[in-house]
Amino acid sequence: GQQVMQIPQYQHVQEGEDFTTYCNSSTTLSNIQWYKQRPGGHPVFLIQLVKSGEVKKQKRLTFQFGEAKKNSSLHITATQTTDVGTYFCAGTPGGYNKLIFGAGTRLAVHP
Amino acid sequence: DGGITQSPKYLFRKEGQNVTLSCEQNLNHDAMYWYRQDPGQGLRLIYYSQIVNDFQKGDIAEGYSVSREKKESFPLTVTSAQKNPTAFYLCASSGANVLTFGAGSRLTVL
Repeated sequence: GQQVMQIPQYQHVQEGEDFTTYCNSSTTLSNIQWYKQRPGGHPVFLIQLVKSGEVKKQKRLTFQFGEAKKNSSLHITATQTTDVGTYFCAGTPGGYNKLIFGAGTRLAVHP
Repeated sequence: DGGITQSPKYLFRKEGQNVTLSCEQNLNHDAMYWYRQDPGQGLRLIYYSQIVNDFQKGDIAEGYSVSREKKESFPLTVTSAQKNPTAFYLCASSGANVLTFGAGSRLTVL
């Protein structure tokens, strides 16, 4: 079946360090979305990318969509304790009408 | 405020019992979804509905049932046929292809 792989599964960083999570699909995606789930909370939409090679920024967060539209990344510069949570990517494979979620990357930030 | 309301937030069930989780939205979205989340895992799609009176099975529909009699409501029944029902259940609706999630219902089978 369709799969979206996300790595790493878990990452510890010291506050102020950078963090990156990667998302890969075996098939071309028509779009990629990113969600954040705080501990004990529910996923909240962050951003959607639809164009090949697209880069979008939200303050310290940078999102990229690969040229082949098969991979994506989320980079956080100078992490803060408020960045703690699990970051999920979700993509829609071409010709498919459902979002497929990655397993998520759980980020822990130590002050 | 527009959003999705799930109830109950916590639910305990004895083995062999059916339980129904409520999901109501006032976002005027046509599409609604049920996901299951297990510790350390991503979101797995149980059922989805793109329009009233119509719904489709997701990836893990066995042991679950749904109805969509009203646009605002998409209840999920966890039946006794579900072998491992203890999990966090998330309801969502979508507008412009973006999912809005409810706060979730945590089901524990005793």
